[in-house]
Amino acid sequence: ILNVEQSPQSLHVQEGDSTNFTCSFPSSNFYALHWYRWETAKSPEALFVMTLNGDEKKKGRISATLNTKEGYSYLYIKGSQPEDSATYLCASNRDDKIIFGKGTRLHILP
Amino acid sequence: DSGVTQTPKHLITATGQRVTLRCSPRSGDLSVYWYQQSLDQGLQFLIQYYNGEERAKGNILERFSAQQFPDLHSELNLSSLELGDSALYFCASSVEQWGDTQYFGPGTRLTVL
Repeated sequence: ILNVEQSPQSLHVQEGDSTNFTCSFPSSNFYALHWYRWETAKSPEALFVMTLNGDEKKKGRISATLNTKEGYSYLYIKGSQPEDSATYLCASNRDDKIIFGKGTRLHILP
Repeated sequence: DSGVTQTPKHLITATGQRVTLRCSPRSGDLSVYWYQQSLDQGLQFLIQYYNGEERAKGNILERFSAQQFPDLHSELNLSSLELGDSALYFCASSVEQWGDTQYFGPGTRLTVL
């Protein structure tokens, strides 16, 4: 994989349900993996930066894991709330560059 | 509010013109990054400065240039503007370099007519 790919592109989740989505990135020359939350008409807000294989980070109901050997990261949201509706972006640092995925658009249904 | 400021918020100009976008990083942050978000593409990394020096280059066109000043604010200069340069330009800052959390400014919306 040369690009950063995120799946799914879009996701509808019932309020209260838990969900997760995937970021795949080139595993060679890996340096860091970033997750951002991006609400419409705002700017990206940093959630996590992970650098080590096996890293797990948590912020409230949101957590993320990292596998640098196989080149993927998962973002988990537990007990989705309406305020979780946003686009979730991941970005991979390698070779002094940063490449963003196109994001997963999350819609929380009341 | 991330603490990163960008001016102006909106800019409308004509093809062939030159504009300057300004970014002030969070207090204490040494790195500044510039990104372009156009309608048909995701966020594209343009360039990074660290403590006044260029450190990394992404997909930045030769018509574009940037600098970081001694007070650590940064400017992105876009010249010979084309319609396709219309985009949202973000600046982000971090304490050190890659691997640090990046804090994004509110962006400058550039429209080239």
